[in-house]
Order: sequence, then structure tokens, then C-alpha cells
Amino acid sequence: EDVLTQSPATLSLSPGERATISCRASQSIATYLAWFQQKPGQAPRLVIRDASSRASGIPDRFSGSGSGTDFTLTISSLEPEDFAVYFCQQRNNWPRVTFGPGTRVDIK
Amino acid sequence: EMQVVQSGADVRKPGESLKISCEASGYIFTDYWIAWVRQMPGKGLEWMGSVYPADSDTRYSPSFQGQVIISADKSTNTAYLQWSNLKASDTAMYYCVGRAFDVWGQGTKVTVSS
Repeated sequence: EDVLTQSPATLSLSPGERATISCRASQSIATYLAWFQQKPGQAPRLVIRDASSRASGIPDRFSGSGSGTDFTLTISSLEPEDFAVYFCQQRNNWPRVTFGPGTRVDIK
Repeated sequence: EMQVVQSGADVRKPGESLKISCEASGYIFTDYWIAWVRQMPGKGLEWMGSVYPADSDTRYSPSFQGQVIISADKSTNTAYLQWSNLKASDTAMYYCVGRAFDVWGQGTKVTVSS
């Protein structure tokens, strides 16, 4: 079974700072990885698909990288609306998917 | 506009049955798997299973196999998630997601309490 781990669990940063979130897969998943953002009381939203492709409407301050087992979501300069929880998702065995445990980005 | 609209919140007693739904629009329903995702209070996202509306092929997470039934009706662009014997531990928000996890419903809150 594909297991995803994320680090850190919580990231406390100020607006304007750079956020870097890591996601590690238990086995190689090529680039079959997506990232989602979830704000309180809202449904998640797709941010990145295929490890590095931004979804429609996602600002270019969001970027994704990685392949194999190690992936990164970077927010180059945090805006107030970016403070949220971020989940990675592996799609290596589509349509079966698994999610990482999430990383909370909160305001320092 | 692509969207998935889910049925409203529901409160049931343990042992009762329930079927919740979601209706997709704005994209070709039969071209994409549609998934159900559980989020328990204050917790993360759990993939429950997916159905391919074109032929009703269904896949389940091992954690949910035998616990729920996922189905779809391509004539109405609607997917379903059903339980036959609800438990208090089924209390959660349930999301229906279409178009390769690109289009999320608003969520259906299910509360199971005696």
C-alpha cells in the first residue's frame, strides 16, 4: 500500500515568507502526485497535479517539484489567503489514491 | 461552469440506512471517475472509493470495502454513497469529487447519534 508522509506537520510563517512543504512516498510513484489546499469550513481545492502542473486558477507563487519518492510544494511569498492545510495525494494506482496526513500553514 | 452539488446534511440513528448523492454538471460525467472522500471532524482526507459512470466499474479502499456502496446513474449525472447500518463512527463530512479530483462538491455532513 502506498503511504505518504508529510513534513512538517505545522509551519508557522509570516505573510511574505516562503513556505516549503515536503511529501514522501513509501515507494516510487513517478510524478503521480497532487497537492490540495483546504481552508477552514471549505472543501479542498486542487493546487498542483502531476507533481508540478498548476491547476486552473492557481497563482504562480505556488510551485511543485519532485519525482519518485520525494516531492515539494513551495509557496514563494505567502499571501493571507494561503494560510490553510495542504494535503498531498498519490495517484500511482489510479483510481485508487491515498492522501498524506496534511501540513497546516498558520500565521506566525 | 463545472460543478458537483451534493445532497444536504443528514442526521440518523445508529443502525439506520442512508444514501447521499451528488450531481455533476459542466463536464462529461461519463469520461471521469468520481470519488468519495471522508473527513472526520478535525482530521485528514480519506479516499473511500470511486465509480466510473460509463460502466459503473467501482473500486473501494480496503478500509471501506463492505462498509459502503458507491454507485452512479449516468442518465442523471448523479453518484451515490450509501450505508445500510450506520455507526456513530460514520459521523463525518463526505465529499464527492469529480473530474480527476479537480471538481469538489461542497460536502455532506452526516451525523449518526442516538
